[in-house]
Amino acid sequence: GAVVSQHPSRVICKSGTSVKIECRSLDFQATTMFWYRQFPKQSLMLMATSNEGSKATYEQGVEKDKFLINHASLTLSTLTVTSAHPEDSSFYICSAARTSGSFGTGELFFGEGSRLTVL
Amino acid sequence: KQEVTQIPAALSVPEGENLVLNCSFTDSAIYNLQWFRQDPGKGLTSLLLIQSSQREQTSGRLNASLDKSSGRSTLYIAASQPGDSATYLCAVDNYGQNFVFGPGTRLSVLP
Repeated sequence: GAVVSQHPSRVICKSGTSVKIECRSLDFQATTMFWYRQFPKQSLMLMATSNEGSKATYEQGVEKDKFLINHASLTLSTLTVTSAHPEDSSFYICSAARTSGSFGTGELFFGEGSRLTVL
Repeated sequence: KQEVTQIPAALSVPEGENLVLNCSFTDSAIYNLQWFRQDPGKGLTSLLLIQSSQREQTSGRLNASLDKSSGRSTLYIAASQPGDSATYLCAVDNYGQNFVFGPGTRLSVLP
């Protein structure tokens, strides 16, 4: 399968600082990438859809000024958690859609996730 | 709005047993359906993708079927192994709604 790399895998930061998480599709171009948040023993919660060259589409209840998403190229999307607080501590996962010429978003491939701990 | 459910929520089986995981969706207007596994503290690994025009897909000991008209997909795991222990999620790619995930089935295969 295709490879999506997510970095860093773990990050610990102080309250009030900003943290950037990168998501790269290594062997295909991804017009669309997605960012999720996952709480322990729960399913994925979609935060936003990131489209290359345009503004991200945020899900209801997700603060766009808090979670900045940039998709500057077809292989890279970044999520920046600004002024992080302890309640932002979570597991963040990205995915990239690989299209195959058929209809639909495509086949999803996921990064390994980033564990954020805000002290 | 599309809703995806998975039954059972958790399953524990002895090694070697064949098993079936179920995924149901309410809106049959989908492009495709994808099965994933997630190990604790990790991202999701894609297992199988079934396009809406297909009935099933196979990869090794895994076989996934799709019945779009009834809104169902099953993931069949043959000769289960302890290494198959993980959470299995299905996701549907919808018309105009992107992917919607099920809550997952937590599988434990006991040695």
